Amino acid sequence: AQTVTQSQPEMSVQEAETVTLSCTYDTSESDYYLFWYKQPPSRQMILVIRQEAYKQQNATENRFSVNFQKAAKSFSLKISDSQLGDAAMYFCAYRSTGANSKLTFGKGITLSVRP
Amino acid sequence: SAVISQKPSRDICQRGTSLTIQCQVDSQVTMMFWYRQQPGQSLTLIATANQGSEATYESGFVIDKFPISRPNLTFSTLTVSNMSPEDSSIYLCSVEGHPSGANVLTFGAGSRLTVL
Repeated sequence: AQTVTQSQPEMSVQEAETVTLSCTYDTSESDYYLFWYKQPPSRQMILVIRQEAYKQQNATENRFSVNFQKAAKSFSLKISDSQLGDAAMYFCAYRSTGANSKLTFGKGITLSVRP
Repeated sequence: SAVISQKPSRDICQRGTSLTIQCQVDSQVTMMFWYRQQPGQSLTLIATANQGSEATYESGFVIDKFPISRPNLTFSTLTVSNMSPEDSSIYLCSVEGHPSGANVLTFGAGSRLTVL
């Protein structure tokens, strides 16, 4: 079974600075999808970024980018120019490409942004 | 308008009662997923609901406790039966592929249940 590990329960960043959130996963599959979701206090789960495992190029979405290291099974999220609105729980998630595959989440990390 | 609408947003329930959560999507979708998020925890998949067939439950979840209906391609319900304080959680509905594209799950805002 696939597992997703987020070993840092909390992190803090100064506004306008850069922060990196770590995630590792375990799988025997060669093709899969990886995601970062954000959950602010409103509890709405919001997709931040996704990465297809077959793509070597790291995904980017404005201030958000990932460092995808397939051999190391590592998938970290970098947030540049941090804003107060970035404060939230961030979940790393894995999904295989098979039919009816489920999304497996890590435990999440609470990010606080200091003004 | 919201892509996924969940009702109720929150509720306080008495031990031993049952509550049904509704999930309405503004577009037809094949697969709908129900997740549970216990306080301070991550999301755990309860079951997958496809229209026209019985829901598929994950290990640790059973139909008697969490019956699910999926009468059409835009609607599903999850019932939490015979509730106990351990059922206090956020329950989230999600769908695949709409509107964020294939293989991406979009979530409703969740239903926060507190069982006294």
